[in-house]
Order: sequence, then C-alpha cells, then structure tokens
Amino acid sequence: QVTLRESGPALVKPTQTLTLTCTFSGFSLTTNGMCVSWIRQSPGKALEWLARIDWDDDAYYNTSLRSRLTISKDTSKNQVILTMTNMDPVDTATYYCARASCNQRSPFDPWGQGTQVTVSS
Amino acid sequence: SYVLTQAPTVSVAPGRTATITCGGINIGVNSVHWYQQKPGQAPVVVIKYDSDRPSGVPERFSGSNSGNTATLTISRVEAGDEADYYCQVWDVITGQAAFGGGTKVTVL
Repeated sequence: QVTLRESGPALVKPTQTLTLTCTFSGFSLTTNGMCVSWIRQSPGKALEWLARIDWDDDAYYNTSLRSRLTISKDTSKNQVILTMTNMDPVDTATYYCARASCNQRSPFDPWGQGTQVTVSS
Repeated sequence: SYVLTQAPTVSVAPGRTATITCGGINIGVNSVHWYQQKPGQAPVVVIKYDSDRPSGVPERFSGSNSGNTATLTISRVEAGDEADYYCQVWDVITGQAAFGGGTKVTVL
C-alpha cells in the first residue's frame, strides 16, 4: 500500500523560509520513472503544482515560483523535502505531496492528506 | 506554463448527466487526468489517460479528449458526486504539471 504524509510547521511568519517534508512508503523513489510532486491549494482556490523530483534527481519547478523553491530527496529515509523562501500571506495554503510515474505522464496517485500552512505575523 | 480552462460551476439534477469540460490549446495530443475533491479531502483520480477509469470508480464516470477540449461526463448523477473536479496534464516540454481552475458540481 502506497502512502504519503506531509509534515511541517502550521504557522510561519512573513519573510521566513518554509520547510516541508513528505514521508512516503510502499514505493521507492529510486525506481525508474518514479517522481514525487508538491501541490498546494489556497483556501477556496484551485490546485497549484509547485515542484517535482524524479528518481534520477532531476527537479522541475513551477515557472512563477522557481526562484523561491528547492526540492530534494533523501532516499534512505523515503522523504522528499520542499523549501520555499520569503513566505508571504498569499502562500497560506494546504500543501500536498503526491506520487506519479513521470516518464509515463501518469496521474498523481495517491496524495497525502495535506498539511495546512498559515503565513502570518 | 500550459493553461487549462474550466467552467467554475455546473449544476445538475439527480439522475441527469453532468458534463465538465477542460479547454487547452491542442489538449487532444496530451493525456488528461481528472480528479474529484470533496471538502476537507485530498483529490482522488476518477479518470486517467483521457478515458481510463481506475478500479473502484463507478462506470457512471467517463472521459474523452479531442482537439482543444477534454470532457468528463458523469451519468446518472447522485448526491454523492457533489464535489470539485479538476483536470490535469503534464507539459512534456517543461516537465511541469498543470491543473485546470476546477469545476464545482452542485447536485440540485
């Protein structure tokens, strides 16, 4: 059974750096074609794809957020880490991680349950 | 990044058919995935690769994709189908994923 779980601070202050961790089980991120993405959803808004990291360490970012995002993985811990710098109240959202087979352009399946992040002073 | 356009809302009576569209330039050459999201829950795939239905998804859910429009159809709509629905594609050039703006399906 494949599961993913997001963790991180529920509250960050403006200008701070957010670090989120996705801990997964049931698959290996060393498997050819596998990837994990981060996706967020602001309250009442649509899903927004943020970044992805592939089995071979290739990383891809949302063009509009590229300068603020870094995605990495720790295969020994089955974790994917996302950092977002210079946080702003508009970054208040639920942040999800999700698995895909990126070389097959597969859907995101499954998703973690999400972690809510509020940006406020 | 690739832009996908969805109507914000669709209202449908129980037992009728809901049609949700996702517009994008030449979207027909891409594989489109559809997600259902209920309040407070993570999205779940209901249609993958344009028209494939994952195990456990009712046959009432179907999809198609051609030209500039992909379509998710929900036949014999039930109250439990009330949710937000999102389309998604992979941009093969940039490696980025794109989501549509979502369609809220209301069952009257």
